[in-house]
Amino acid sequence: AQSVTQLGSHVSVSEGALVLLRCNYSSSVPPYLFWYVQYPNQGLQLLLKYTSAATLVKGINGFEAEFKKSETSFHLTKPSAHMSDAAEYFCAVRNTGNQFYFGTGTSLTVIP
Amino acid sequence: EAGVAQSPRYKIIEKRQSVAFWCNPISGHATLYWYQQILGQGPKLLIQFQNNGVVDDSQLPKDRFSAERLKGVDSTLKIQPAKLEDSAVYLCASSRRGQTNTGELFFGEGSRLTVL
Repeated sequence: AQSVTQLGSHVSVSEGALVLLRCNYSSSVPPYLFWYVQYPNQGLQLLLKYTSAATLVKGINGFEAEFKKSETSFHLTKPSAHMSDAAEYFCAVRNTGNQFYFGTGTSLTVIP
Repeated sequence: EAGVAQSPRYKIIEKRQSVAFWCNPISGHATLYWYQQILGQGPKLLIQFQNNGVVDDSQLPKDRFSAERLKGVDSTLKIQPAKLEDSAVYLCASSRRGQTNTGELFFGEGSRLTVL
């Protein structure tokens, strides 16, 4: 079965510092991987997705993620955190049956 | 393009009462999902529809939860009778069964249920 593991349920960074949110996947076949962001009282919004076209994926709001098959990882990064980045972030994997499985989420706090 | 619509946004009921949530997916999206998101957790898939057929309902508590998508467009999720542990946000999502097979999920804003 496919799954994702997000290390660190809470991450705090200073404004302007590097953001690194970790995601490892478990999949027997090349996966489709996604990062979603959820602001308070809202649904999930797609940040970026990996679909095997390129290992470094750029998303919205300056976020990017790198697919590393050798490490089974798909970590999310942003060079410089902004206050508006404070939110909950979810990594997800999609199987060939079009089913999506989400990690437990990482809450990002940005300290002014 | 209109997004995924859900209603109601908020609902408070007492245990053993019933509740229903409605979802209208993005036009043309064949696949519709209902997820349950308990506070502090990631979304958990309850049921997946492809058009009006059920693809996966393995995690749906069928003794109290039911869902339908009769005409292959909008969907209703019902809970009867509700338990305290059903307090959660119920997220509806849809995806296009795309030719590129890289379709992502589009989410509604969710329906927050509080069971007292």
